[in-house]
Amino acid sequence: DAGVTQSPTHLIKTRGQQVTLRCSPKSGHDTVSWYQQALGQGPQFIFQYYEEEERQRGNFPDRFSGHQFPNYSSELNVNALLLGDSALYLCASSSAAGGRPQHFGDGTRLSIL
Amino acid sequence: SQQGEEDPQALSIQEGENATMNCSYKTSINNLQWYRQNSGRGLVHLILIRSNEREKHSGRLRVTLDTSKKSSSLLITASRAADTASYFCATYMEYGNKLVFGAGTILRVKS
Repeated sequence: DAGVTQSPTHLIKTRGQQVTLRCSPKSGHDTVSWYQQALGQGPQFIFQYYEEEERQRGNFPDRFSGHQFPNYSSELNVNALLLGDSALYLCASSSAAGGRPQHFGDGTRLSIL
Repeated sequence: SQQGEEDPQALSIQEGENATMNCSYKTSINNLQWYRQNSGRGLVHLILIRSNEREKHSGRLRVTLDTSKKSSSLLITASRAADTASYFCATYMEYGNKLVFGAGTILRVKS
């Protein structure tokens, strides 16, 4: 039973470029949340997807967007990359019922040069 | 902004000792969860305590919750070198669908 999988594991981009990160949720889960974790900090909630729609959004600019597919997998897109976007991007999945524990992938390490 | 704040920021103990980490939060919650993160890896869920519960146990873990003080503590008994990791509390808000994390406590268990 595969857990949450994310790809790629590492990515290097330059300022101004665009990036797409991918996530497959744990089997049986239909809700996907994305987090940004800067070095030495806790994860910051970006947004959550359920039934292919953005259900809730954190305090992130419109440069951050996402998508959820019918098979519940999800993508995180970031446009016009800034140096400050360098971080570990974590995907977490859970069932639709709110408040449940979240299952995390190992993340994508994004470095902006 | 981060809802939970952990204390201490870092903790170093000997194997076999107990480790206690504290967490404070700001607003009403539905539940509070603790997660562990090994270096360079994703977070692993440890334990969840609901707002109407005061104490919960799971193996060597003991969590308490004081909603009047908006605080929680995580106790790890008889620590092992493998417990070395960062520990985060996260609150699930009373309204909404997001989990809000604190900055974490770095625990180092020396063998």
